[in-house]
Amino acid sequence: AQSVTQLGSHVSVSEGALVLLRCNYSSSVPPYLFWYVQYPNQGLQLLLKYTSAATLVKGINGFEAEFKKSETSFHLTKPSAHMSDAAEYFCAVTPSGGGNKLTFGTGTQLKVEL
Amino acid sequence: NAGVTQTPKFQVLKTGQSMTLQCAQDMNHEYMSWYRQDPGMGLRLIHYSVGAGITDQGEVPNGYNVSRSTTEDFPLRLLSAAPSQTSVYFCASSYSRGGGTEAFFGQGTRLTVV
Repeated sequence: AQSVTQLGSHVSVSEGALVLLRCNYSSSVPPYLFWYVQYPNQGLQLLLKYTSAATLVKGINGFEAEFKKSETSFHLTKPSAHMSDAAEYFCAVTPSGGGNKLTFGTGTQLKVEL
Repeated sequence: NAGVTQTPKFQVLKTGQSMTLQCAQDMNHEYMSWYRQDPGMGLRLIHYSVGAGITDQGEVPNGYNVSRSTTEDFPLRLLSAAPSQTSVYFCASSYSRGGGTEAFFGQGTRLTVV
């Protein structure tokens, strides 16, 4: 079964600093990859997704992620953190052969400090 | 558009009680699913449905039942609540287009079993 691993359950950055949230996937065939964000007491919202069209994917709110097959990674970055970015971020995968079953990582809580 | 609507938002149950968590979507999505979110564990799939009349088990189905009589509705039933079912439950829906499609989430139901 496919899975994703998120390194670091808590990440803290200063406002204006680079945000880097790590995600690695386990699959011999590149799957579909997603980053979702969850603000406090809300549901999940899609930030961006990789579907093999381009390895560098741009999402909402200035976030982007790069698919690297050689490293089986799909790390999420943002050049300059804003206080409003404080949330929990989930990496997720669906099978490359099709289907909508999302498998989530354990999540990374991002804290942004002044 | 309402998107995905879950009711209730909060619920407290006594051990052994049964209840139904409601989920409705107005986007005509074929695929619907239920997840539970527990600290440090991400979201885990309970049950899913690829269309009216078709349901299947996910990763953690024990203690839960589902049915899908219409495209719009996908209720989750707790047969005999246990403290281990204390969690936040999310319903999601998406188009079935061979994978890589965005899932839309409800706001969640926070369930406490005492």
